[in-house]
Amino acid sequence: QKEVEQNSGPLSVPEGAIASLNCTYSDRVSQSFFWYRQYSGKSPELIMSIYSNGDKEDGRFTAQLNKASQYVSLLIRDSQPSDSATYLCAVNGGGSQGNLIFGKGTKLSVKP
Amino acid sequence: DVKVTQSSRYLVKRTGEKVFLECVQDMDHENMFWYRQDPGLGLRLIYFSYDVKMKEKGDIPEGYSVSREKKERFSLILESASTNQTSMYLCASGSLGGNNEQFFGPGTRLTVL
Repeated sequence: QKEVEQNSGPLSVPEGAIASLNCTYSDRVSQSFFWYRQYSGKSPELIMSIYSNGDKEDGRFTAQLNKASQYVSLLIRDSQPSDSATYLCAVNGGGSQGNLIFGKGTKLSVKP
Repeated sequence: DVKVTQSSRYLVKRTGEKVFLECVQDMDHENMFWYRQDPGLGLRLIYFSYDVKMKEKGDIPEGYSVSREKKERFSLILESASTNQTSMYLCASGSLGGNNEQFFGPGTRLTVL
């Protein structure tokens, strides 16, 4: 059974701090990794994708991938109250049909 | 921008009713997916389709069926709704192969009384 594990939180950080969200996955052949943000009552929104080892930066967001450790993380710099949401990690499930395996999400709360 | 739309944001139905949830995407994506999301259980895949008239069971297909007659449209059908099908239903689309990104519609919150 392929799995994606995330700490459910809640993770609480003060405004302006760095929020660090972590995810581990079980399938060694996974090649595509995604972070989705989901506000309460809304649908998931794709915010970052990463495919190779190392860091990928997009504005205040940095995704980090370590395939050897089967670990992917999301850093949010200068956290804002508007970043308060649940963050879902997703990993491709192998095969060629584009299925993703989702973690259950980490709830982030940014306190003013 | 990818646009995925769903026919209803909120829906209330009675036990035993037949329910149709429709999803339309405008990006010519081959893949389309139906998930349900429940507190504590995360996203669970019900069915997916990678081509017109093709369908594959996901993790929880029982009690559901799907239809894909056109590339842009993917319908989820609850033949006889039950209270345990009260949930948030999310449709997503993505291109076949490539980078496996999926884009979600706004979701339908279905309540079965």
